[in-house]
Amino acid sequence: GESVGLHLPTLSVQEGDNSIINCAYSNSASDYFIWYKQESGKGPQFIIDIRSNMDKRQGQRVTVLLNKTVKHLSLQIAATQPGDSAVYFCAETGTGNQFYFGTGTSLTVIP
Amino acid sequence: DSGVTQTPKHLITATGQRVTLRCSPRSGDLSVYWYQQSLDQGLQFLIQYYNGEERAKGNILERFSAQQFPDLHSELNLSSLELGDSALYFCASSVGRLAGGTYEQYFGPGTRLTVT
Repeated sequence: GESVGLHLPTLSVQEGDNSIINCAYSNSASDYFIWYKQESGKGPQFIIDIRSNMDKRQGQRVTVLLNKTVKHLSLQIAATQPGDSAVYFCAETGTGNQFYFGTGTSLTVIP
Repeated sequence: DSGVTQTPKHLITATGQRVTLRCSPRSGDLSVYWYQQSLDQGLQFLIQYYNGEERAKGNILERFSAQQFPDLHSELNLSSLELGDSALYFCASSVGRLAGGTYEQYFGPGTRLTVT
């Protein structure tokens, strides 16, 4: 159908709180998932990835959870900081090597 | 700084014209990916090259083409431009092709194309 413009989901959190950003993916055959952060005026930046044989992966202050049953991915950011304010995208890919990105979530951290 | 460079940063051209966007990957990266980011379509994967060969194709129009040269830099050619082609075009690079691997992609700063 027609699209009149992206309406990004938004999330506002207080500095120091934990953030949870959710993503529903579409292809049950996808086996690799990535979270990206995009700050205004910049290209996306890799945050963390996870393969489909895992359900949880931790990085520095970030954790990705994968629920293949309901095709859901989440990104948890601990102790959110003002520098975390950005748009966050999940991406999925499978054997075809094509990447599919979600529409993104805009995170605003309130000092 | 991701180490991926893209030129030009901005490009303004008229409908019907043809433009070439250039990308230099990070040193040592063999894979190059092209993406289009527009306000109404989000981030769309266009095409991937690995060591000079096309490896995956996404939502790339027939008016668009790309190639990766022996020195691993890549060019994205957009022809018969339409107003709807106005967007940010990103290039990303990674060490290898993704199949079986978990290679992190590094994105360039993008080229903003405006078609008038």
